[in-house]
Amino acid sequence: EAEVAQSPRYKITEKSQAVAFWCDPISGHATLYWYRQILGQGPELLVQFQDESVVDDSQLPKDRFSAERLKGVDSTLKIQPAELGDSAMYLCASSQSYRAGGYGYTFGSGTRLTVV
Amino acid sequence: KNQVEQSPQSLIILEGKNCTLQCNYTVSPFSNLRWYKQDTGRGPVSLTIMTFSENTKSNGRYTATLDADTKQSSLHITASQLSDSASYICVVSDYGGATNKLIFGTGTLLAVQP
Repeated sequence: EAEVAQSPRYKITEKSQAVAFWCDPISGHATLYWYRQILGQGPELLVQFQDESVVDDSQLPKDRFSAERLKGVDSTLKIQPAELGDSAMYLCASSQSYRAGGYGYTFGSGTRLTVV
Repeated sequence: KNQVEQSPQSLIILEGKNCTLQCNYTVSPFSNLRWYKQDTGRGPVSLTIMTFSENTKSNGRYTATLDADTKQSSLHITASQLSDSASYICVVSDYGGATNKLIFGTGTLLAVQP
């Protein structure tokens, strides 16, 4: 069964350092999403790509977060500098199209970030 | 405001017992509703997805129901197993606008004890 690949699984970083997460969506999925999930809460959308273009980054803290999907395939989410409040699970998801309404929407296993 | 509310927040049951989780939503327009299971430290995995016209859908021991008139859904777990211990998240698709967003509930944390 096709999967959304994420790495690393776990990351511990010091406050003010830079950190990056990588996501490889299911082959053929044009839409890629990055979510942040704080423990005990539901995922919060940070950024949504359609191919290589950003279609929604309204919840992305742009002063410290950046995301790119240069060739419309895999994607990188970066935080610089990291703050204690950034400790969370970062989830990547992909779907065939943003018009899919949730159909074919698949999550990766996530990256657990701890900022110390 | 589009919202998805789940109850209870947490639940403890004995292995072999049944349980029902609730989801109320105020999302409009409505496209579909999905239940996810999320094991600790893992990403969510889809259990069921239902459109406006579907009242019930099953996936093994999981049965979801949808009442689009009252905007309520439930997830019933039959003969629970230890492996059912997880967070269960209700997600509603907002079929409007350019981004067709998913609105997530905060989840119900289920613990199945031997």
